[in-house]
Amino acid sequence: GAVVSQHPSRVICKSGTSVKIECRSLDFQATTMFWYRQFPKQSLMLMATSNEGSKATYEQGVEKDKFLINHASLTLSTLTVTSAHPEDSSFYICSASHTGVGTGELFFGEGSRLTVL
Amino acid sequence: AQTVTQSQPEMSVQEAETVTLSCTYDTSESDYYLFWYKQPPSRQMILVIRQEAYKQQNATENRFSVNFQKAAKSFSLKISDSQLGDAAMYFCAYRVGANSKLTFGKGITLSVRP
Repeated sequence: GAVVSQHPSRVICKSGTSVKIECRSLDFQATTMFWYRQFPKQSLMLMATSNEGSKATYEQGVEKDKFLINHASLTLSTLTVTSAHPEDSSFYICSASHTGVGTGELFFGEGSRLTVL
Repeated sequence: AQTVTQSQPEMSVQEAETVTLSCTYDTSESDYYLFWYKQPPSRQMILVIRQEAYKQQNATENRFSVNFQKAAKSFSLKISDSQLGDAAMYFCAYRVGANSKLTFGKGITLSVRP
């Protein structure tokens, strides 16, 4: 149980286009999901906290108009990188909080590697 | 603000030997969770071990164990009988509540020598 699926795993797009990444909790309801960004050989940096039915909370320095987050249901959160540029190329990872488990653990998706040409 | 510090960027261990990865954290909370996550080249985050701060007993999971020193705010991971498959990046992480974010350290790259 507690599986999080992220799609697509890899995406290549042209500069100026938008890309949507989906994060789904497959066997549990996730009222809260988190989006992280990771550069090679570096740690995970929290971008935003996504709450079902409300606006996402963005970390300082993260452009909310560039990184649109929508948490429309208890099992799906999406991250849209708008007008992508080469500097947006990165590894994006989502995670979900399963409050029913009670261990404090976050469950992670497989990650999405975005390459902007 | 809560911070997690992993001061060693890289470590190497001989296969079958034991290695300890260090982690310290800073918090004013009394109840929280601590984790060690493994990230292999596939980049999938894998939970290695977790510790609830209110529990005095150190967590263990097979070859993995922690040394949790709450007063010193230290949370080190010991890997016994190291295996080639243990080679990965390891992150120490901290979390306060059930819906709060996970704060990561910078990570350490562990290599295992055959």
